[in-house]
Amino acid sequence: ETGVTQTPRHLVMGMTNKKSLKCEQHLGHNAMYWYKQSAKKPLELMFVYNFKEQTENNSVPSRFSPECPNSSHLFLHLHTLQPEDSALYLCASSQDRKLTDEQYFGPGTRLTVT
Amino acid sequence: GNSVTQMEGPVTLSEEAFLTINCTYTATGYPSLFWYVQYPGEGLQLLLKATKADDKGSNKGFEATYRKETTSFHLEKGSVQVSDSAVYFCALTRGSNYQLIWGAGTKLIIKP
Repeated sequence: ETGVTQTPRHLVMGMTNKKSLKCEQHLGHNAMYWYKQSAKKPLELMFVYNFKEQTENNSVPSRFSPECPNSSHLFLHLHTLQPEDSALYLCASSQDRKLTDEQYFGPGTRLTVT
Repeated sequence: GNSVTQMEGPVTLSEEAFLTINCTYTATGYPSLFWYVQYPGEGLQLLLKATKADDKGSNKGFEATYRKETTSFHLEKGSVQVSDSAVYFCALTRGSNYQLIWGAGTKLIIKP
């Protein structure tokens, strides 16, 4: 595997379910990110981890819970979601947190909350 | 605050046409500017970037020039192909937290 991988690619869940999204980067990067992409809206940064430590939480509801056990893996735990949480969830990584650093994205998980 | 404004899409062109996708920004100081592209079913990937005023980023025939005086970073390509059909995102980084500030994206459709 190369680059940034995400599983599952598609997920349908009820509002009372608990599920987790997984992201893995094979690039040796130190920073990882979760984004939410909704139609016709700018990407919303949710969480940032740098060297496994959470450095940003952009007012994300507590029904989303991130976990970063090491620099290569990032999880997003989901519980009691709402239909408006349906979106494409993108994981990204970058070498560090510098102004010029490129972010590398995974293909995303398409989440549908019923 | 910092923000990025892109032209609304979709933009529909014929193959070999000239492309311009407008991007303007609001930021203090000197942000770094980026264009990312998202092909159908894929994540975003960096297309080009510029880190200081008057820099020109280029890649795969696309170009964008960092214009401080007009706070713009318009994306151009001289002759588009069907394979260029995708969503294009303009973004900037600024500030001590190095967050990327994103535009809403512009969908480009190229017809044969």
